[in-house]
Formats: sequence, C-alpha cells, structure tokens
Amino acid sequence: AQSVAQPEDQVNVAEGNPLTVKCTYSVSGNPYLFWYVQYPNRGLQFLLKYITGDNLVKGSYGFEAEFNKSQTSFHLKKPSALVSDSALYFCAVRRAGSSASKIIFGSGTRLSIRP
Amino acid sequence: DVKVTQSSRYLVKRTGEKVFLECVQDMDHENMFWYRQDPGLGLRLIYFSYDVKMKEKGDIPEGYSVSREKKERFSLILESASTNQTSMYLCATAGQGRREAFFGQGTRLTVV
Repeated sequence: AQSVAQPEDQVNVAEGNPLTVKCTYSVSGNPYLFWYVQYPNRGLQFLLKYITGDNLVKGSYGFEAEFNKSQTSFHLKKPSALVSDSALYFCAVRRAGSSASKIIFGSGTRLSIRP
Repeated sequence: DVKVTQSSRYLVKRTGEKVFLECVQDMDHENMFWYRQDPGLGLRLIYFSYDVKMKEKGDIPEGYSVSREKKERFSLILESASTNQTSMYLCATAGQGRREAFFGQGTRLTVV
C-alpha cells in the first residue's frame, strides 16, 4: 500500500530564512514524488516532481526538493522564504512502472512566513 | 494548458439525496481521480479510473460510486448523501506513468 506522511501540521519561518517542509513516503517499488501548493480559495498547483536521476529537483517559485531513497524522504526546501510562500503544501507519491497507478497525498503542512 | 472542469463550485443537498459531481478534462489523459479534502486529513482518494469503464477503489470508497463512460468525463455519485459527506471534492487528471496530476477548482458540497 502507498502512503505519505507529513509530520508537521504547521511550519513557521521568518521571511528571509530557509524553510523545510518534511515528507516521507511508503510505496512498493520505485516512487514518483510530487509537491503541490494550495493558496486560499484556489485549486492545487503543481510545484515539482522527482522521477529519476538527480536527487535534487528544482521547481516553481524557487522551491527545490531532495529525494533520499534510504530515508524514503522527499523534503521541500527554499533557501530564502517569502511572505507570499504562506500556503498549504501537499506531498504525493505514485508508484513507478505502472500505467494505471493512483496518486496518494499526505495530510498537508501549513507554511506560515512572518515578515 | 490542461483544463479540468468541475460542474459546480458549490452545492447544497439534503440528506438521502442522490448527488452527481461531474468532471471533464480536455487533455486526453487516461487517468482520472476523485479526492475529498478535509482539514487535517489532507486529500483522500475516493476512486480513480485508468481508462473508460475501468475503475479502482481508493482509500475511502464507502458511500460513493463512479462512472466513466467517456474518456474525458468522470462522475462521482453519492448514492444517498449523508452529513459526513460534507466536504470539498477535487477532481484530477494525469497521463500514464510519471506525469503529475492536474486539478479542477473543486466542488464544496454541503449536506444538510
């Protein structure tokens, strides 16, 4: 069975400081991993994905994520937070190698950036 | 741009009613998904479909059914709506394999 854990309901960071939003996953076989962001009253927007290759992937709005296979983690990072990064963030996993694979999401982490 | 359209942004239904939520995509994607989003619980998969007339249960299928008669359309059916089905419902679509999901704007359903 697939699952995603986002251990922090909320992360608070001062503007200009680095931020990390944690994600661990469980899936049989190799994973495809994703991060999404949801702003208030808006739909989910895709940020970045890991498919294969380089463990550090870069995405929209200056975000990046590091895939760590041994720790089954895919933490989202940004070197310098902006107030406008405040939103709800979701990590998701999809089993690689199947043309009919479901996508499972975590419970979400609310990121709050204070000025 | 991928377009995923959900038929209603807001719905209010009575307990016991049969409710249909419709989702249409314009990208010829094989996979379509229905999730519900509740505070603190994130997105939970109700059902997904990997081809016309093909479906699989997600993590919380009880009280729901789905229909996919055409590739572009995926319907979620609440057979007999109950108050615990009050939620935000999100439809998504994805190509085969490694591609990310694209989401509709959501339908906020209230069952009274």
